[in-house]
Amino acid sequence: QKEVEQDPGPLSVPEGAIVSLNCTYSNSAFQYFMWYRQYSRKGPELLMYTYSSGNKEDGRFTAQVDKSSKYISLFIRDSQPSDSATYLCAMSSTNTNAGKSTFGDGTTLTVKP
Amino acid sequence: GAGVSQSPRYKVAKRGQDVALRCDPISGHVSLFWYQQALGQGPEFLTYFQNEAQLDKSGLPSDRFFAERPEGSVSTLKIQRTQQEDSAVYLCASSSSGLAAQQYFGPGTRLTVT
Repeated sequence: QKEVEQDPGPLSVPEGAIVSLNCTYSNSAFQYFMWYRQYSRKGPELLMYTYSSGNKEDGRFTAQVDKSSKYISLFIRDSQPSDSATYLCAMSSTNTNAGKSTFGDGTTLTVKP
Repeated sequence: GAGVSQSPRYKVAKRGQDVALRCDPISGHVSLFWYQQALGQGPEFLTYFQNEAQLDKSGLPSDRFFAERPEGSVSTLKIQRTQQEDSAVYLCASSSSGLAAQQYFGPGTRLTVT
């Protein structure tokens, strides 16, 4: 079983919808939780990261971390066709392995006009 | 400013050939990371440098893989005697801190081994 699990989708929504993307994890040492967006044939682009539990908002994006359930979410409000991409969650710890991120396999999102 | 750059963007190698992949991090970023991304999967950690020191190489899949960053800036990932299973996108990322949480990725090098 992988340390980080992510529903691969694909997920298709109409423009303007609220999108919910989720990951679960098994390693309780994870303290940093990141969300990346990856367009086809491009490198991952960091959207936002959260330290420990709680919520973080940045524009149309909200990240939530529930460490008690080992569950993280990314919400996209007022989704746009330009949001169509693969979304990757990633996690890292704060110990000697702080340089290593563990990624999920990504959820493919399509926002239809 | 300029982001992370990688070269070549595409590389085709015959099985058994050696390849070298280059990464130019964002200027001033002390930390540099290499990942391997297979089709349809998330990136898998290979190795991590802080300046010229390789702090973690636990993700390198075999002794055919070697990475270096001799002057604490540009890094090279070398794969010897390439195998078909080495076909993947190799991603480089850099960070101004030592934290994986603040990594910025390059576009990747797509390696195809025939």
